[in-house]
Amino acid sequence: DIVMTQAPLSVSVTPGESASISCRSSKSLLHSNGVTHVYWYLQKPGKSPQLLIYRMSNLASGVPDRFSGSGSETDFTLKISRVEAEDVGIYYCGQLLENPNTFGAGTKLELK
Amino acid sequence: EVQLVETGGGLVQPGKSLKLTCATSGFTFSTAWMHWVRQSPEKRLEWIARIKDRSNNFATDYVESVKGRFTISRDDSKSGVYLQMNSLKEEDTATYYCTAGARFTYWGQGTLVTVSS
Repeated sequence: DIVMTQAPLSVSVTPGESASISCRSSKSLLHSNGVTHVYWYLQKPGKSPQLLIYRMSNLASGVPDRFSGSGSETDFTLKISRVEAEDVGIYYCGQLLENPNTFGAGTKLELK
Repeated sequence: EVQLVETGGGLVQPGKSLKLTCATSGFTFSTAWMHWVRQSPEKRLEWIARIKDRSNNFATDYVESVKGRFTISRDDSKSGVYLQMNSLKEEDTATYYCTAGARFTYWGQGTLVTVSS
């Protein structure tokens, strides 16, 4: 199975500042069609996970452009510019390239 | 508005069975790949099962830890997806979410399954 490793496990950010979360996969997530199958989800407190970023760098519908995704074949970054109170929660990276689909352990973002 | 509503969770003894239901609306269910993802009490997410659409022969796939015990199915006439869970173990304790789409675009609110004697 592909292992997804996130860092850090928690991050504390001053509102208005930026935050970055890293994710590493144990295998390349680059498909032969050129698509990199890493996805980012946010689980706000008391809520279900929601899709933020798909195929490494594409914003899901309704997601503010303060969020951005980037990376290579195995190393990925979620960046949040100008963090707001509504961004608090647990961020997960996931790979949907192969079965079983797998997720990172999550990164908890809190406000200072 | 897209809605996914899971029901059927509860407290069950080890070795027993439980069936989860996910009722959906607001999107084209018949062409959507449907999944079950569970979240442990420690907040770890684990994909456990997927069923494709009719054009893909309703193909199913499972994570190794539930193969032979869990069965995913769907009823396109009711826009519903189901998870039959047999021979439950304490480590199956989790909140179970159904999700729709190849990207896990839509999620339900989850239903809690507790396996304990």
